[in-house]
Amino acid sequence: EAGVVQSPRYKIIEKKQPVAFWCNPISGHNTLYWYRQNLGQGPELLIRYENEEAVDDSQLPKDRFSAERLKGVDSTLKIQPAELGDSAVYLCASSPLAGGNTGELFFGEGSRLTVL
Amino acid sequence: EDQVTQSPEALRLQEGESSSLNCSYTVSGLRGLFWYRQDPGKGPEFLFTLYSAGEEKEKERLKATLTKKESFLHITAPKPEDSATYLCAVQAWGGGGNKLTFGTGTQLKVEL
Repeated sequence: EAGVVQSPRYKIIEKKQPVAFWCNPISGHNTLYWYRQNLGQGPELLIRYENEEAVDDSQLPKDRFSAERLKGVDSTLKIQPAELGDSAVYLCASSPLAGGNTGELFFGEGSRLTVL
Repeated sequence: EDQVTQSPEALRLQEGESSSLNCSYTVSGLRGLFWYRQDPGKGPEFLFTLYSAGEEKEKERLKATLTKKESFLHITAPKPEDSATYLCAVQAWGGGGNKLTFGTGTQLKVEL
């Protein structure tokens, strides 16, 4: 079974440029998460989707970050414009049950963003 | 606000030298405590879920335990392949749904 797929794996941009990350969750998983992990830190939730609906986006910096999950499958996370402090690894995860589960999330390998 | 504190930040062991990693937590109502393993350049990989004080889970050389204030990840006779960062996370009852609050992790290095 294929795992969570993310692209690109690495991205280097200059500040004020836009950037987008793509995630394809495990087939049949209707809950999708975007986390941000700074160097030496644990992952921090940015947004959680149940199917197409964003049910928790309280930690998403809405002035520059946006996300969408069309048709309840793939998701895209966008940053526009990027700032130096956005340099981090952006992790996508999925889980099979909606509204609460065992806490077992399946993570992708992440997209490492460097903003110069 | 939920908080998770892990110690030590880094740990270096010789192969076969058993030890424990600590995860202290503060949460309004614990729904679950989770351990994940993260290898360099990879996403976290799920290890265990613990729900109530006194509960224990085992997997190969790893055993996780839970009290009302902290969790321990015991590593028995570790091997070099156990080298990784071990992350602890908590999930609270209430409006957070599936939200996990992670600690900063313990970076474990096991040497021959």
